[in-house]
Amino acid sequence: EVQLVESGGGLVQPGRSLRLSCAASGFTFDDYAMHWVRQAPEKGLEWVSGISWNSIDYADSVKGRFTISRDNARKSLYLQMNSLRAEDTALYYCAKGGILRGVIDDWGQGTLVTVSS
Amino acid sequence: EIVMTQSPATLSVSPGERATLSCRASQSVSNNLAWYQQKPGQVPRLLIYGASTRATGIPARLSGSGTGTEFTLTISSLQSEDFAVYYCQQYNDWPSITFGQGTRLEIK
Repeated sequence: EVQLVESGGGLVQPGRSLRLSCAASGFTFDDYAMHWVRQAPEKGLEWVSGISWNSIDYADSVKGRFTISRDNARKSLYLQMNSLRAEDTALYYCAKGGILRGVIDDWGQGTLVTVSS
Repeated sequence: EIVMTQSPATLSVSPGERATLSCRASQSVSNNLAWYQQKPGQVPRLLIYGASTRATGIPARLSGSGTGTEFTLTISSLQSEDFAVYYCQQYNDWPSITFGQGTRLEIK
């Protein structure tokens, strides 16, 4: 069974940094693309970033501020978030790509990031 | 960045009736289009990929169609468990992917 467990969320002041982690199990981590997707309170889904073995990309809204990375040996996904803004407040989901890398077939429960002074 | 636009924002339909949800892409995404369902307090669930292929365990009353820039998710004979928010998502522009803003399907 696929399990994705996020951690690292919390309350942070605007302009500060936060690092999210996602521990994966139940599948061959190396073989799949991984994503971060966020959902602001009572809002829709917003893709944040994705990483495969040979490519990385970011949403325009976070480009230059967020950095995605993965450690295949540790079966872990990370999101380094710098220069945080109030509009980054959201539930951040770790998500697994499927056979088609851009299709998300498993989701973690999310970790809440609140940016506020 | 490819923009995905869903319509309507809210759709009210009676149980047993058919619901038709639309999704439009700002440029062609071929058939690289997925649909997800999200219920309150739950994570999204993959319904359809490749514009028309049902994911594992998805009932046949849900069907997807379309190609290029126009897509449709049809739910025939709505059941109580179908009332939720639905999102389309393009992955043609991988590694960049984008979601639509969602359609809320509510009980009439």
